[in-house]
Amino acid sequence: DTVLTQSPALAVSPGERVTISCRASESVSTLMHWYQQKPGQQPTLLIYLASNLESGVPARFSGSGSGTDFTLTIDPVEADDTATYYCQQSWNDPPTFGGGTKLELK
Amino acid sequence: QVTLKESGPGILQPSQTLSLTCSFSGFSLSTYGMCVGWIRQSSGKGLEWLANIWWNDDKYYNPSLKNRLTISKDTSNNQAFLKITNMDTADTATYYCARCKLGAFFDYWGQGVMVTVSS
Repeated sequence: DTVLTQSPALAVSPGERVTISCRASESVSTLMHWYQQKPGQQPTLLIYLASNLESGVPARFSGSGSGTDFTLTIDPVEADDTATYYCQQSWNDPPTFGGGTKLELK
Repeated sequence: QVTLKESGPGILQPSQTLSLTCSFSGFSLSTYGMCVGWIRQSSGKGLEWLANIWWNDDKYYNPSLKNRLTISKDTSNNQAFLKITNMDTADTATYYCARCKLGAFFDYWGQGVMVTVSS
């Protein structure tokens, strides 16, 4: 299976720019997607196919990357962005998720 | 407006079969490119993809559980189903259904149903 590696946690101040990384153990082309999950809630789609902003998601969120290295950027970060962020690949079978990055605001 | 909602037994004993239903609205599983997937999340843990069923009835399973999983759909009633046999305490988790599209990303998720396996 394709392993997706994310940093476990990040802490930033409101107004700052934050980048959350996801590294794949093998190429996933651009079939990488990003989700936000707040405590007690289901995940919501932020970015699909590496860089496409899902409808209704603020333009503060953006995604980039291809192959094995991907980034989710939030600029500027707001208090409401406190959540865990997951990457997911769908190029290789089975689809897999990263372990999640918990974003905390200082 | 796309919505999905999972339903299931809540609690079951080891070795029993779990039957989950995903009732959805706002789209049809007979539409080209649509799919419904099942994903689970153990308490405090990450997300694990289980299975997808596509508009053309193609089915895909996570190999780690493949022998235990059966996914199906009732297009007329806008429902999808997942059965997991031989449940174990390690299968205790919140189970989500989600709509997926070509590219196999999940753009709408249900609220999830908590399933506890305990004797």
